[in-house]
Amino acid sequence: EADIYQTPRYLVIGTGKKITLECSQTMGHDKMYWYQQDPGMELHLIHYSYGVNSTEKGDLSSESTVSRIRTEHFPLTLESARPSHTSQYLCASSDDPGQGGRDTQYFGPGTRLTVL
Amino acid sequence: KNQVEQSPQSLIILEGKNCTLQCNYTVSPFSNLRWYKQDTGRGPVSLTIMTFSENTKSNGRYTATLDADTKQSSLHITASQLSDSASYICVVSDRGSTLGRLYFGRGTQLTVWP
Repeated sequence: EADIYQTPRYLVIGTGKKITLECSQTMGHDKMYWYQQDPGMELHLIHYSYGVNSTEKGDLSSESTVSRIRTEHFPLTLESARPSHTSQYLCASSDDPGQGGRDTQYFGPGTRLTVL
Repeated sequence: KNQVEQSPQSLIILEGKNCTLQCNYTVSPFSNLRWYKQDTGRGPVSLTIMTFSENTKSNGRYTATLDADTKQSSLHITASQLSDSASYICVVSDRGSTLGRLYFGRGTQLTVWP
């Protein structure tokens, strides 16, 4: 079982609300990621981080923002939620064993967000 | 266009039976291929990872194969159990960046019936 946690697990909110999805890991991994996944669809990378104070946008354009002030913490924020943001959000982290990209990603349980 | 295609989209088998899931990819350059298991409402869990030089990798009752020439991989599950019911996701990594960009398939939804 991976030591990566996400809260809340489920969130139902109204349009226009500001929300923050929490993600933390206790494995000391430098690399962290946020993915968005709709039912029956593939995961899409929306944000990633190489380490503290490093954040980059992923392949899928997202109105969310992230921060990496501490190694173990990688929160995702939506300033004004809309129904189009309804999805599952998965956080992951990975080590870097120096094996040419063979780092294993460990995923959190996900947050299922519903915006009404 | 870099893509990962999985088949079948869904599969139902009886407990104790074997099954094979397929993954075809067009990702280039190629670094490695991973199979993940994702239980409903949970995050994916890594099963196997194979590089260009590896053509088979086992993890208990799971055996993955890779043919880098034809860009195909399969995941064989032996003596299935009810707990094998999950989505199995094929992921291919390229060598195009330090991050090693990952391309995800949509998964095969496996249901094991008693």
